[in-house]
Amino acid sequence: GEDVEQSLFLSVREGDSSVINCTYTDSSSTYLYWYKQEPGAGLQLLTYIFSNMDMKQDQRLTVLLNKKDKHLSLRIADTQTGDSAIYFCAVDSWGKLQFGAGTQVVVTP
Amino acid sequence: GAGVSQSPSNKVTEKGKDVELRCDPISGHTALYWYRQSLGQGLEFLIYFQGNSAPDKSGLPSDRFSAERTGGSVSTLTIQRTQQEDSAVYLCASSDRDLNQPQHFGDGTRLSIL
Repeated sequence: GEDVEQSLFLSVREGDSSVINCTYTDSSSTYLYWYKQEPGAGLQLLTYIFSNMDMKQDQRLTVLLNKKDKHLSLRIADTQTGDSAIYFCAVDSWGKLQFGAGTQVVVTP
Repeated sequence: GAGVSQSPSNKVTEKGKDVELRCDPISGHTALYWYRQSLGQGLEFLIYFQGNSAPDKSGLPSDRFSAERTGGSVSTLTIQRTQQEDSAVYLCASSDRDLNQPQHFGDGTRLSIL
C-alpha cells in the first residue's frame, strides 16, 4: 500500500519559520494536502497543491513539491502561538486520502 | 450550515451494543467520506460515496461496519456489536469530487466503548 511519512515533532520559536516535511510513495497522486488539527477538533484544510506544480504560496504558507523525490514540505512564515497544532500531510489515492502520522508543532515564546 | 456537521459529538456505549453515527455534508457536495482516527492506527480511510455510484468500502475493517447515504446527502455509519477496539474518533468529509475539490472535514464523533 501507499506510505506517507512525516517527522513526529517540531519545536519552533515564535516569529521563526517552521518547515514540516513529508515523503510519500504513491506517484499517481494528483493532489497533495496539508491539514491542521487542534485538540478536540476535526481536520482543517490549510492548503493543497496539484501534482503538476512545484510551489504554491498562500499568505504565510508555502508548499514545495518535489515529484522526483516524492517530497512535500510546508513552510509557515512568522510562526505564531496559534500555529501550535498537529499538521497532517495527505495524498490523494483514487479519491481516498492517505495520511501521514502527523507532526506536532509546538511554538515557544 | 457552511461546514460538514457530525452527530453526536461524543458517544459512550457498552461493548456489544450497536451505534449509529451521522454525517451531514456540505450542501451540493457529491462525494462523502468516512475516516477513523485512533491512537494506534492514525487516520484510516473507511468508505467513500460518490454520487450514485456503488460506494468504495475497501477500508471497512470488518463486516460489523456498514454505511449508507440517503438521497445523495446525509450518511449514517453503523457499527454493530461494538468492541473496545472500535473506540476512536470517526471523521466525515465531503468534497465536490466532480470538480476535483479537496475534502472538508467535520469535527468528528468521539466513540468510547466501555
